Amino acid sequence: DQQVKQNSPSLSVQEGRISILNCDYTNSMFDYFLWYKKYPAEGPTFLISISSIKDKNEDGRFTVFLNKSAKHLSLHIVPSQPGDSAVYFCAAKMATSGTYKYIFGTGTRLKVLA
Amino acid sequence: EAGVAQSPRYKIIEKRQSVAFWCNPISGHATLYWYQQILGQGPKLLIQFQNNGVVDDSQLPKDRFSAERLKGVDSTLKIQPAKLEDSAVYLCASSSGVSSYEQYFGPGTRLTVT
Repeated sequence: DQQVKQNSPSLSVQEGRISILNCDYTNSMFDYFLWYKKYPAEGPTFLISISSIKDKNEDGRFTVFLNKSAKHLSLHIVPSQPGDSAVYFCAAKMATSGTYKYIFGTGTRLKVLA
Repeated sequence: EAGVAQSPRYKIIEKRQSVAFWCNPISGHATLYWYQQILGQGPKLLIQFQNNGVVDDSQLPKDRFSAERLKGVDSTLKIQPAKLEDSAVYLCASSSGVSSYEQYFGPGTRLTVT
């Protein structure tokens, strides 16, 4: 049961253009969403997050949009740069047993072409 | 601030052998996570510690996997005996759980079981 889905395994974008990475979820109990970036041979690093009570969060070139009714979020990168080439994971947080846990999507490999 | 440390970075063993991974989280982080990431998939939570207590080990194959976090600081994850399907990257992460929901990941240990 994949509660967090990233249906596009890969995406190629020209440098300077917009990159849009999508993520869908099924569990209404998720209350916080995070995006992580992963380079080869490194662990994931936190990029940006959004609370379920908001619909947009922006940090420099990165913006995350949340459509709660559609259970969909997206990460926009504008403008895209070659250094953004990495695997991007969407993660969702839910409270459980006095703490919280995270469910990760399968990732989208972004390639920004120079 | 030092990041999450993991060792070894790479390990190759034969099936039915045993292996152990070590993780030292960021100082002061109460919550520690072990994830398994199989090629082409997102990280899957194996076990979560709050200080030195286990709060979630529902996806840990307890017949072969074990983990401990003595003194609420560093942690070890052991596999005994290993199977071919255990080939994956094992990621350790920590979080303070106080001011944000970010997880900080170590570089991971790539395990190959032959």
